[in-house]
Amino acid sequence: DIQMTQSPSTLSASVGDRVTITCRASQSISSWLAWYQQKPGKAPKLLIYKASSLESGVPSRFSGSGSGTEFTLTISSLQPDDFATYYCQQYNSYSLTFGGGTKVEIK
Amino acid sequence: QVTLKESGPVLVKPTETLTLTCTVSGFSLSNARMGVSWIRQPPGKALEWLAHIFSNDEKSYSTSLKSRLTISKDTSKSQVVLTMTNMDPVDTATYYCARINWGSRAFDIWGQGTMVTVSS
Repeated sequence: DIQMTQSPSTLSASVGDRVTITCRASQSISSWLAWYQQKPGKAPKLLIYKASSLESGVPSRFSGSGSGTEFTLTISSLQPDDFATYYCQQYNSYSLTFGGGTKVEIK
Repeated sequence: QVTLKESGPVLVKPTETLTLTCTVSGFSLSNARMGVSWIRQPPGKALEWLAHIFSNDEKSYSTSLKSRLTISKDTSKSQVVLTMTNMDPVDTATYYCARINWGSRAFDIWGQGTMVTVSS
């Protein structure tokens, strides 16, 4: 199975900061990488698919990049609504795995 | 409007079999571009993909849980059913069903989740 390693596991930041989260795959997954935001008690919400495509309705301050084994999610200017946990997810040959999550906390 | 809703027991005993149902609306389970997965999340922990099923009835399972899982669908009822055998307290989690879009290989719509506790 493909393992997804996210870093950092926790990130402390302030409103207005630029934030970057990294996800590494144990083998190449081309661009089949998605990013989700989850708030406590809620289902995850899709932000980015195919590594860099912004889901409809998601603010443009969110962006994704990467291919192969290394991917990043960037929030260009952190807003109060963005404090949450973020997960990456890969799809490869009918099998999926999620990363361990990155909690973005208020500094 | 596309929605998915999970239903099933809140509490199961160790060694019992869990049966969860996902009822979908706003799209058809026969849509070739869509599939439905089950995903779980133990309290305070990360998401874990369990299984999925596509319109052609093709199925895929988590390697680590494959021996305990069965996924099936009833297109006429718009339902996807997951069974998990030999439940253990470590299986206590919120169980989600989610739609996977074949074009993006991502979960674009999620159910609200259902919390299942395994305890005697």
